[in-house]
Amino acid sequence: AQSVTQLGSHVSVSEGALVLLRCNYSSSVPPYLFWYVQYPNQGLQLLLKYTSAATLVKGINGFEAEFKKSETSFHLTKPSAHMSDAAEYFCAVRNSGYSTLTFGKGTMLLVSP
Amino acid sequence: DADVTQTPRNRITKTGKRIMLECSQTKGHDRMYWYRQDPGLGLRLIYYSFDVKDINKGEISDGYSVSRQAQAKFSLSLESAIPNQTALYFCATSGQGAGTEAFFGQGTRLTVV
Repeated sequence: AQSVTQLGSHVSVSEGALVLLRCNYSSSVPPYLFWYVQYPNQGLQLLLKYTSAATLVKGINGFEAEFKKSETSFHLTKPSAHMSDAAEYFCAVRNSGYSTLTFGKGTMLLVSP
Repeated sequence: DADVTQTPRNRITKTGKRIMLECSQTKGHDRMYWYRQDPGLGLRLIYYSFDVKDINKGEISDGYSVSRQAQAKFSLSLESAIPNQTALYFCATSGQGAGTEAFFGQGTRLTVV
């Protein structure tokens, strides 16, 4: 089965600093990859997704991610953090057979003034 | 109105009680899912359904059951709740394409005492 690993359960940055959240996947076939964000007391909201059309994917709120097959990675970045970016972020992969989504354990992003 | 609606949003129940969590969606999708979220563990799949007559177990289905009453409705039951089932539960729906994302409800916070 396919899986994703998110490195770092918590990441702390200062407002205005670069945000980098790491995600590595395991898949024997080209994967479909997703990043979701969860704000406090809310459901998950799609940030962006990779579906093989382009390796650099732009999402909402200034986030982007780059698919690197050689590194089996799909890291999420944002050039300048904002206080409103504080949330939990989940990477997910579509399982073989294109059925269900498997999620990573999540990374909590903390943004300080 | 939300695309995916879960009821109740919060529930406290006693050990041994039967409880049902309900989910309805207006996306018109055939596929529906129930996930459980625990701190540090991310989201884990409980059950999923690809159409009204199709029900499949996820990775943590023990102690749970589901019912797909219609294309738009998918309920999750805990036959005899235990404290270990205290968690945040999410319902989601998606289209059939491999690159399609899942749309999530706001979640149900369940506490078993």
